[in-house]
Amino acid sequence: DVKVTQSSRYLVKRTGEKVFLECVQDMDHENMFWYRQDPGLGLRLIYFSYDVKMKEKGDIPEGYSVSREKKERFSLILESASTNQTSMYLCASSLTPVDEQYFGPGTRLTVT
Amino acid sequence: AQSVTQLDSQVPVFEEAPVELRCNYSSSVSVYLFWYVQYPNQGLQLLLKYLSGSTLVKGINGFEAEFNKSQTSFHLRKPSVHISDTAEYFCAVNGGGADGLTFGKGTHLIIQP
Repeated sequence: DVKVTQSSRYLVKRTGEKVFLECVQDMDHENMFWYRQDPGLGLRLIYFSYDVKMKEKGDIPEGYSVSREKKERFSLILESASTNQTSMYLCASSLTPVDEQYFGPGTRLTVT
Repeated sequence: AQSVTQLDSQVPVFEEAPVELRCNYSSSVSVYLFWYVQYPNQGLQLLLKYLSGSTLVKGINGFEAEFNKSQTSFHLRKPSVHISDTAEYFCAVNGGGADGLTFGKGTHLIIQP
């Protein structure tokens, strides 16, 4: 079974802090994605990566950056956390861009 | 860019009744369509997918969906729901690009005893 793990289920940070969210997949997938999920808005794509050291902006990249140094790991970075970044963050991976995506359990981030 | 519309934000249904969750997408030459389910405090789990072939797709937990190209729809159905089907359901589309899936805003299925 494909497994996608995220470093934390719940995280509380203060405004202005630098925040790292880690995602690891164990199926040698080329493609990895970061979404945020907010009530009534569904999932919105923040960044994606189709290869090591490659990254592309999604629909809402402002205030975020990413890092993919190894194929299995995709990190989301909030350079200076703000209260409007309080959200559920979901990581996913897929073998090809059109294949189904496998999701991690999510990280619920609260910025105070 | 692709867009997905889930027409109902909430659908209440009595247990053992049939249900249909509606999904429409913006037109594209080729599309790949997915339905995901999210149980409380969990990630998303794939219910079913349409990549090509038969327009009627069967998934897990007794769900099925029908791809209708002329109506640009991919509605999800189940003939008899169970209390354990209470969850958020997301329709998603990929238009063949490298940027992954575009999701609808979700439909909360509420099963009433």
